[in-house]
Amino acid sequence: GAVVSQHPSWVICKSGTSVKIECRSLDFQATTMFWYRQFPKQSLMLMATSNEGSKATYEQGVEKDKFLINHASLTLSTLTVTSAHPEDSSFYICSARLAPGGELFFGEGSRLTVL
Amino acid sequence: GQNIDQPTEMTATEGAIVQINCTYQTSGFNGLFWYQQHAGEAPTFLSYNVLDGLEEKGRFSSFLSRSKGYSYLLLKELQMKDSASYLCAVRRNQGGKLIFGQGTELSVKP
Repeated sequence: GAVVSQHPSWVICKSGTSVKIECRSLDFQATTMFWYRQFPKQSLMLMATSNEGSKATYEQGVEKDKFLINHASLTLSTLTVTSAHPEDSSFYICSARLAPGGELFFGEGSRLTVL
Repeated sequence: GQNIDQPTEMTATEGAIVQINCTYQTSGFNGLFWYQQHAGEAPTFLSYNVLDGLEEKGRFSSFLSRSKGYSYLLLKELQMKDSASYLCAVRRNQGGKLIFGQGTELSVKP
């Protein structure tokens, strides 16, 4: 299947700093990527839909100024958690699809811990 | 909006069969997916149904009834490595977003 890679896998940062997470589709072009957040023992919550070359579409309740999403190319989307706080500590997972209506492929996930 | 319900946890015995149910209510239904997720890892795709009926894939089968808003994942010949969380997800027409249920934590005992 298609490969989606995330970096970093683990990140620990101090409260108030910003953290960038990258999501790359390694062997296909993804016009759309999705960003999810998962708290312990809970399911994946969709945060936003990242569209190449345009603004991301955020789900209700997700602060777009806090979670900046950039999808500058067909193979790369980035999520920046700005002014991170301990409550932002979570597992962030991106996914991409080959074509509209196609299967979603997930990245390995990035675990963020904010001290 | 949408509502997806699955049991929180289930326990089964190695070698047995287990059925994990998922009910959903959504507008613009465009397919139902099942994913497996081990702790600390990303989900991996198991199956996909868009039409009513049963899809079989080795030890895993998934069933869908669109009129009832119901699906199940059937796991046969359970192995210890099948202990994981199983996520039911519904895709909507609008934007093709995949919305996940809360997941069912399956424990396989010897």
